[in-house]
Amino acid sequence: QLQLQESGPGLVKPSETLSLTCTVSGGSISSNNYYWGWIRQPPGKGPEWIGSIYYSGSTYYNPSLKSRVTISVDTSKNQFSLKLSSVTAADTAVYYCARHPLGRTVYYFDYWGQGTLVTVSS
Amino acid sequence: DIVMTQSPDSLAVSLGERATINCKSSQSLFYSSNNENYLAWYQQKPGQPPELLIYWASTRESGVPDRFSGSGSGTDFTLTISSLQAEDVAVYYCQQYYTTPPSFGGGTKVEIK
Repeated sequence: QLQLQESGPGLVKPSETLSLTCTVSGGSISSNNYYWGWIRQPPGKGPEWIGSIYYSGSTYYNPSLKSRVTISVDTSKNQFSLKLSSVTAADTAVYYCARHPLGRTVYYFDYWGQGTLVTVSS
Repeated sequence: DIVMTQSPDSLAVSLGERATINCKSSQSLFYSSNNENYLAWYQQKPGQPPELLIYWASTRESGVPDRFSGSGSGTDFTLTISSLQAEDVAVYYCQQYYTTPPSFGGGTKVEIK
């Protein structure tokens, strides 16, 4: 059974960089058929896609966040990571990692991690 | 970007009764090259991640009870729970994947009357 687990600091200061890692178990991140993505959900709101990466390193980013986002992959550790720079209180959210099939666009998300709450505050 | 609008924001349904959730997209999600609507539905219970229920507008994910069904095409879609069970209390989201970035609706909260 595929499992994804987010890890990283739960509190980040304004203007600093948020860094999270997703560890995949029960399957290989190097699958030919799937991308691996980050999604966030502010309290009481709907989810927002941040970006996705293929095991080869190919990335897609949400244009609204692109200037501040970097997603990377480490196939040797079966992990992928998120960095979001210059954070503000508006970046406070539960951050999820998830998997989606490879397709014409960023498809639906069929496996999700449990999520980690990141609060931006001094 | 495509905007997804769900209605109602919340609804209360008696156990065993039908629940209907609507989702409207700001542009068509139908791709004529493969005759598919690029629309998914998720269920999210408190403190849990969203769980995929339906994709391609009407295909149930493995393990999803058949009381959940999806319908619609183009810009108007519906998620129906044919006989509401206590464990179906949750927030439901639609998501389009016709274009990147994918986008989600604002959610519909389903409660027991």
